[in-house]
Amino acid sequence: QVQLVQSGAEVKKPGASVKVSCKASGYTFTSYYIHWVRQAPGQGLEWLGVISPSGGTTSYAQKFQGRVTMSRDTSTTTVYMELSILRSEDTALYYCARGTSYYGDYWGRGTLVTVSS
Amino acid sequence: DIQMTQSPSTLSASVGDRVTITCRASQSISSWLAWYQQKPGKAPKLLIYKASTLEGGVPSRFSGSGSGPEFTLTISSLQPDDFATYYCQQYNSSPFTFGPGTKVDIK
Repeated sequence: QVQLVQSGAEVKKPGASVKVSCKASGYTFTSYYIHWVRQAPGQGLEWLGVISPSGGTTSYAQKFQGRVTMSRDTSTTTVYMELSILRSEDTALYYCARGTSYYGDYWGRGTLVTVSS
Repeated sequence: DIQMTQSPSTLSASVGDRVTITCRASQSISSWLAWYQQKPGKAPKLLIYKASTLEGGVPSRFSGSGSGPEFTLTISSLQPDDFATYYCQQYNSSPFTFGPGTKVDIK
């Protein structure tokens, strides 16, 4: 069955970076895109960007350009999302989601990233 | 960026009710719209894509319609498992923005 296993919760100081992983299994890794979506506590969903595990091409939301980097390791079927220059507003649950290049059809359980001094 | 709005923000309904949620885009997005269901403490679940195509395994009581700027998600007969928050998402152009959500709770 499809599984997206995300890395554990992180606590970071403002200005630091965080790298969240999403290990995929149960399907052909290179056949589906991986999206990253975040949800601040009690808030709605915000799309950060998408990566093609096949070729590694990425598309980021303009808001996060320059701060977000998505990458993949096909040998371990793992996708990574790194967010830099963290601020308190980046405190959120970060989800990876498998899907087409446009939307996610299967989501991970999320990784809580807390930014606090 | 395309802005998405949803109405109502909260909806109180009873089991068996017909429920309709509206999603509106700030510009035409053709039929490039998805609907998700999210329960507390859980990840979102895809219900519908391309405005009206039901994702596999989703009960047929869910349906989607609309195009251009205005869309609806309908639950024909609300079941206990359907009490959740529903989000629309446009994927006409990046960034693929979500609506603010509609919480469906028990009347």
